[in-house]
Amino acid sequence: DTEVTQTPKHLVMGMTNKKSLKCEQHMGHRAMYWYKQKAKKPPELMFVYSYEKLSINESVPSRFSPECPNSSLLNLHLHALQPEDSALYLCASSQAQGSYEQYFGPGTRLTVT
Amino acid sequence: GQQLNQSPQSMFIQEGEDVSMNCTSSSIFNTWLWYKQDPGEGPVLLIALYKAGELTSNGRLTAQFGITRKDSFLNISASIPSDVGIYFCAGQLFDAGGTSYGKLTFGQGTILTVHP
Repeated sequence: DTEVTQTPKHLVMGMTNKKSLKCEQHMGHRAMYWYKQKAKKPPELMFVYSYEKLSINESVPSRFSPECPNSSLLNLHLHALQPEDSALYLCASSQAQGSYEQYFGPGTRLTVT
Repeated sequence: GQQLNQSPQSMFIQEGEDVSMNCTSSSIFNTWLWYKQDPGEGPVLLIALYKAGELTSNGRLTAQFGITRKDSFLNISASIPSDVGIYFCAGQLFDAGGTSYGKLTFGQGTILTVHP
């Protein structure tokens, strides 16, 4: 089973709202990733967690706050977003950080109004 | 940073035709991955390549890891309507503990349209 699940599927939020995206995997993977994807563009890496610790932050604005509560869960907390933050947010996981296959979830379509 | 040149950008083909797309880089990669993405969904891993010269098949899909480690191609044989989507290549450096560790560098994608 190579399933990564994400909730919600769709999210509409105002610029003053606080919301969270959730990601879960039960493959025993120890690396988890957040990506942002604009229409017809490749995914752009935001954060990497390795063994529940933040390993890479690609200079993402602080209005995006990741959290890894345990080895199966990854959250992305959103606050005071801008309309240009509207995108498909993808979670991925891999066996470990490094040269391993990354498996993506279905994504959360975020619209900021 | 590393860049991947993926071509063609788009393809319009008839059902039953074979398809070929490729990615080239100025950098050497240790891993090549090929993904397919349907509209509104996440990328689905099609094939992973780990060794230079490796040729791997997955049903009607065949991919190769170039000998120079700077390129890879994906072939789809006898295309069907459900092959429609965007195909991305992704290369990965093995840079243990470095700033690129675990990062995927993506190509810009090939948009495939299949006419019945």
